[in-house]
Amino acid sequence: EPEVTQTPSHQVTQMGQEVILRCVPISNHLYFYWYRQILGQKVEFLVSFYNNEISEKSEIFDDQFSVERPDGSNFTLKIRSTKLEDSAMYFCASSESWGASSYNEQFFGPGTRLTVL
Amino acid sequence: DAKTTQPPSMDCAEGRAANLPCNHSTISGNEYVYWYRQIHSQGPQYIIHGLKNNETNEMASLIITEDRKSSTLILPHATLRDTAVYYCIVQETSGSRLTFGEGTQLTVNP
Repeated sequence: EPEVTQTPSHQVTQMGQEVILRCVPISNHLYFYWYRQILGQKVEFLVSFYNNEISEKSEIFDDQFSVERPDGSNFTLKIRSTKLEDSAMYFCASSESWGASSYNEQFFGPGTRLTVL
Repeated sequence: DAKTTQPPSMDCAEGRAANLPCNHSTISGNEYVYWYRQIHSQGPQYIIHGLKNNETNEMASLIITEDRKSSTLILPHATLRDTAVYYCIVQETSGSRLTFGEGTQLTVNP
């Protein structure tokens, strides 16, 4: 069964450093997403991406964050200058199409645990 | 904010049916009801979704009331591996984001 994969599973970084989290979405999916979950808190939407453009973003997704599809398979989330409060699980997801429909759902990866020291 | 209300926790005996309720009284006509679960900080896992008709797949059944203001997820024969946080989410046809609430912590006991 096809699945979303993410690397690394755990990333430790120093405050102020740049990090890039990587995701390989399901191959025939066209819509990509990033969510995050701070320990003990809710899963929060960050951004959605389609056709090499951001489609929707939340208030969390400020100028420190960027997303990119550098090639035909990878989807990345970059945090330019990490802060302590960026420590969280980051989940990538993908879907065949946009929005809710009878046949559309988002499939999530296993997550990358980011620890900022 | 999430548009759904779920009990914070529920218990179920192994082998019995688990019935997880969700209230979405402000749901609009273009919103679907989705159910996901999260097992111990793993990525959320899609379970089932529907618009107004009841749905069934290999994992679960979804019962949506006629007025669409509430729904129930049914796991017919719960196992220990079904212990997880279950999220009921309403998503509109024109939006991409899933808005997660606190969910229901389901604990399946031996």
